[in-house]
Amino acid sequence: DTGVSQDPRHKITKRGQNVTFRCDPISEHNRLYWYRQTLGQGPEFLTYFQNEAQLEKSRLLSDRFSAERPKGSFSTLEIQRTEQGDSAMYLCASSYSRQGVGEQFFGPGTRLTVL
Amino acid sequence: LAKTTQPISMDSYEGQEVNITCSHNNIATNDYITWYQQFPSQGPRFIIQGYKTKVTNEVASLFIPADRKSSTLSLPRVSLSDTAVYYCLVGTIYNQGGKLIFGQGTELSVKP
Repeated sequence: DTGVSQDPRHKITKRGQNVTFRCDPISEHNRLYWYRQTLGQGPEFLTYFQNEAQLEKSRLLSDRFSAERPKGSFSTLEIQRTEQGDSAMYLCASSYSRQGVGEQFFGPGTRLTVL
Repeated sequence: LAKTTQPISMDSYEGQEVNITCSHNNIATNDYITWYQQFPSQGPRFIIQGYKTKVTNEVASLFIPADRKSSTLSLPRVSLSDTAVYYCLVGTIYNQGGKLIFGQGTELSVKP
């Protein structure tokens, strides 16, 4: 297994456009997390899935953000009508956990720049 | 929600022991404490996790006092390659939800 992968690695878009990011977790992992990280800050939790169910959404996740994990495998994060404030690194992580947090394995991230 | 506070930066020399403390005064009963390391343009990498007392693995130790309002990551004999940003993460995940709060990170610079 090659770990968590994210696609694309970089995305430049114009304000108002929609963007979609993909995350492929480690295959046997039941949990998948999305974070946003801006320069000089720690990652901010956005949402997480246990298998295909989205069980938690941060207040940071406005109505313009939506995430899916069909069939409990890969996940997509879509941002509609992008704003300059959406510019950040979007990180995906996965873990296998029955309780508690467990060790999260992070992908390399997708860096979004909104012009 | 537990808010975490860490020193912004620390300097050390090769071969020294480095201790980074994270304050989390509002930690909840079921919250775990986890530390991650991050290099530029990479995702964070797990170092160690604990709930209380002391945990040790092959790369670090984690000290958690009885009140759990702080935690200290100890890196023995650091090398130049340990130059990175270190984050503490407080929180937990339930089957019905959960919250995870990262600190702002401590930028560790190891000098020769």
